Amino acid sequence: QSALTQPASVSGSPGQSITISCTGTSSDVGSYNLVSWYQQHPGKAPKLMIYEVSKRPSGVSNRFSGSKSGNTASLTISGLQAEDEADYYCCSYAGSSAWVFGGGTKLTVL
Amino acid sequence: EVQLVESGGGLVQPGGSLRLSCAASGFTFSSYWMHWVRQAPGKGLVWVSRINSDGSSTSYADSVKGRFTISRDNAKNTLYLQMNSLRAEDTAVYYCARGYNPIDYWGQGTLVTVSS
Repeated sequence: QSALTQPASVSGSPGQSITISCTGTSSDVGSYNLVSWYQQHPGKAPKLMIYEVSKRPSGVSNRFSGSKSGNTASLTISGLQAEDEADYYCCSYAGSSAWVFGGGTKLTVL
Repeated sequence: EVQLVESGGGLVQPGGSLRLSCAASGFTFSSYWMHWVRQAPGKGLVWVSRINSDGSSTSYADSVKGRFTISRDNAKNTLYLQMNSLRAEDTAVYYCARGYNPIDYWGQGTLVTVSS
């Protein structure tokens, strides 16, 4: 049950696009199209932004999109806004009724 | 509106026990799998445990297996986490969360501090 690997930090200017990667193994990300992404502002609970690799819950901006290739999933945020500054976590089903999260990525909007 | 409200956190000595509760409202609690996820101060999210909708099946992260027990009372719309043999490394905010795939709603968390 090793954590998924995410970059510690990414940054971008307002209006730009950024991509956060999430690398797992053939036992988790590579085996299931059950990757989700969460946004967490300081002191707040995580919020679901993407599920099943690329689906957006109702109410989440279409500036957020997800994809997956092999053992690596990605979250892309286009048209960066100041309110997007937060920590982002990926999560994958890992089989045997277990889940695994990434270490988190701090997004800074310059 | 889905609401998950955790309680029961606090300061406990190493080797001690604590029981967390999570009161659910705004949805049919008995229809959903539930999870506990923790976050150590300044660190990332770590999945801890899950329970299926009727409480007949559970699973745990290796780090808490044998020490923590997840349970639920569907009549009371409440999720529990019994934590025994607590260690300093169990210090974290503990979140209850709803869902199978995905985990979709989260509570605000309750802080557990293990220290002498």
